[in-house]
Amino acid sequence: EDKVVQSPLSLVVHEGDTVTLNCSYEVTNFRSLLWYKQEKKAPTFLFMLTSSGIEKKSGRLSSILDKKELSSILNITATQTGDSAIYLCAKRDTGNQFYFGTGTSLTVIP
Amino acid sequence: GAVVSQHPSRVICKSGTSVKIECRSLDFQATTMFWYRQFPKQSLMLMATSNEGSKATYEQGVEKDKFLINHASLTLSTLTVTSAHPEDSSFYICSAPYYLGGANTGELFFGEGSRLTVL
Repeated sequence: EDKVVQSPLSLVVHEGDTVTLNCSYEVTNFRSLLWYKQEKKAPTFLFMLTSSGIEKKSGRLSSILDKKELSSILNITATQTGDSAIYLCAKRDTGNQFYFGTGTSLTVIP
Repeated sequence: GAVVSQHPSRVICKSGTSVKIECRSLDFQATTMFWYRQFPKQSLMLMATSNEGSKATYEQGVEKDKFLINHASLTLSTLTVTSAHPEDSSFYICSAPYYLGGANTGELFFGEGSRLTVL
C-alpha cells in the first residue's frame, strides 16, 4: 500500500505565526511530491518537488524535499487568515499514480 | 494555465435516481483522469482511474456498478452515480495529469468539485 502521512492533522495558530507542515511517504516507485491548498472547493497546486534539498518558494510559502528521510515540509511564515485551509501532499509514482496524504487542516485566528 | 472543468458544481436528487458528473480538460488532452470522493474535513479518497478508450480502474471497495465511469474522449470523463442513496452524498472531485507538448509535466489539476446531496 502506498501511504502518505501528514502531520499534524490539524493546527490552530494566530496571525503572524510561522507553521511547518509535515508529509512522509513510502519510497516505492517515487517520482515526485506535490503540495496543494484546499479551501472550499478544489485543491489548488502549490509546489512540485523532485529533487532533495532544493527549496521551492512562493511568497510566504516554501517547501523542501528530503529523500533520505522520505519526507517533505511546507513552511508558511507570517500566517494570515487567508492561509486557513486544508493542505494536502501527494506522492506521484513512476506509473503516474497520485497518492494523497491525510491532509492538515490549518486555522489561522486573527 | 491548465484548466479542468467539472459540472455540475452542486446537485440535489431523490433517492433512487442517477446523477451524472462531467469532468473536462479545457486546454489539454487527458488520457487519464482521477475521480475522488471527499468527506468533510478529510482528505481525498481515490475512487477510480479513468482511462480514455478503455475500462476504468477502480480502487478496492468502490462499487463499479454503482459508480459508472466513462472516458469517451481525450477531454471528457463522466462519473454516474447510479441509484443514489443518502449515504452517497459527498463531494466528488476529478483531476487530470497535465500534458504539455505531449509530455506529462507531473502536475495534477483539479476540477471545481461537485457536491451531491441525495434526499
